[in-house]
Amino acid sequence: QSALTQPASVSGSPGQSITISCTGTSSDVGRYDLVSWYQHHPGKAPKLMIYEVSKWPSGVSNRFSGSKSGNTASLTISSLQAEDEADYYCCSYADARSSSSSYVFGTGTKVTVL
Amino acid sequence: EVHLLESGGGLVQPGGSLRLSCAASGFTFYHNAMAWVRQGPGKGLEWVSAIAGGGDGETTTYYADSVKGRFTISRDNSKNTLYLHAHSLRADDTAIYYCAKDRGRLLDTGALDLWGQGTMVSVSS
Repeated sequence: QSALTQPASVSGSPGQSITISCTGTSSDVGRYDLVSWYQHHPGKAPKLMIYEVSKWPSGVSNRFSGSKSGNTASLTISSLQAEDEADYYCCSYADARSSSSSYVFGTGTKVTVL
Repeated sequence: EVHLLESGGGLVQPGGSLRLSCAASGFTFYHNAMAWVRQGPGKGLEWVSAIAGGGDGETTTYYADSVKGRFTISRDNSKNTLYLHAHSLRADDTAIYYCAKDRGRLLDTGALDLWGQGTMVSVSS
C-alpha cells in the first residue's frame, strides 16, 4: 500500500487560511469516508484533529475543517495561529482484505506560520 | 485521565529482538482496537500493525508488508497492555514507535483517537 500524497510544506500568515491536500486512490480515500487528520508537534504524541472526513473530536477547534472530493481529501486551517505550526498527516482506511494494511498514512505536511 | 505509555525501546543489533509494551489507562481497554505506528528518522508516520478489540477467542491482527513475519502484535486485556514483539530487526526498523487507540473495535473507523508519546528503537551494530 503506497502512502497518500501530501505537499511537503504549506505556509501562511497569522489570521490567514491554508489548505492541505491528501491524494490517494479509488481503493482508499476515494472508496471510504474514513479519512482522518493528525497534528504532530515533534517530540509529542500525535493528535487526532478530524475523523470521518469532516467530524471533530471533542476539544478540537472548529478552525480545523475537513472535506473530500473523489480521491483527494483536504484539511483547512482558518484563522491561522502560531500554535498551529506543526506537521500534519492524513490517514485513510484501506480494506485489509484487499490491501497489505488496514490504514495508510499520508507523506506529511509541515505547516509554517510566517 | 486517558493515557497510553509505551516502553521497551532501546538499542539492538541487526537481527536482534525487542518487546515493546503499551500500558493503557482511563478507558475500557478491552473494547477498542489498538495499533502501532512508527516514525523513522526524518520520515513520516507509518502504520505497522493492529489488533482488534473485544475478542472472546481468536483476535484478528493486521501487519504492514514491511514487518509481516517478523513482528507479532498481542494484547493482555487483564493487564490493559498492548505488546509488539519485534524479531529479525533491521536498520530500517529504526524509529519512534507509537501506540494508538482506535475509535472502534474492529479497526474499521480510519481514526486513532489517542496516542502515546512513543518509544525509540535503534537498530545498529
